[in-house]
Amino acid sequence: DAKTTQPNSMESNEEEPVHLPCNHSTISGTDYIHWYRQLPSQGPEYVIHGLTSNVNNRMASLAIAEDRKSSTLILHRATLRDAAVYYCIPQYNNNDMRFGAGTRLTVKP
Amino acid sequence: DAGVTQSPTHLIKTRGQQVTLRCSPKSGHDTVSWYQQALGQGPQFIFQYYEEEERQRGNFPDRFSGHQFPNYSSELNVNALLLGDSALYLCASTGGVFINEQFFGPGTRLTVL
Repeated sequence: DAKTTQPNSMESNEEEPVHLPCNHSTISGTDYIHWYRQLPSQGPEYVIHGLTSNVNNRMASLAIAEDRKSSTLILHRATLRDAAVYYCIPQYNNNDMRFGAGTRLTVKP
Repeated sequence: DAGVTQSPTHLIKTRGQQVTLRCSPKSGHDTVSWYQQALGQGPQFIFQYYEEEERQRGNFPDRFSGHQFPNYSSELNVNALLLGDSALYLCASTGGVFINEQFFGPGTRLTVL
């Protein structure tokens, strides 16, 4: 299983962009990079996933390094509602998602 | 669509007892996974059910067992409860076992005294 390294915590100001990094240097060629987030007192919530190319959806963008050993989740304009723990999960499928400790994002008004 | 629902919301048990947690997947989903989340940690995969069979299992003892019913709902059973089993138990559903978004329920908070 690929190991991930994420900052324990990050802070952002409201309405500013946030870049959440993740290192996954042992990722295999078939692993997708999934991002989930967990708001306080809720179950995790899917954010985005990708394989090689950068990906965009209504919630965020995912920038994947050319060597796929790292990726960055980009929230274009952070809101207070984006305060959560963000998990980066390199995985081939969703049979057994291996959540790490994640990054706790604090958004300041 | 109600999404993934779990019951009960909270539960208090004593050591040695048995507990059953329930999960109804999102409409149209046929695959259910269970996770255990200890306080301050990320969720840990317990097992996954598809077509009423356990397809994959994480590193959990046999005290943890499950079942999936023909309507795709699922139960998680834990026998001989230990204090360390106190956690948030999350259920997730998806429409297949590959690259599909997983939808998580709000969880059941189990406290073992």
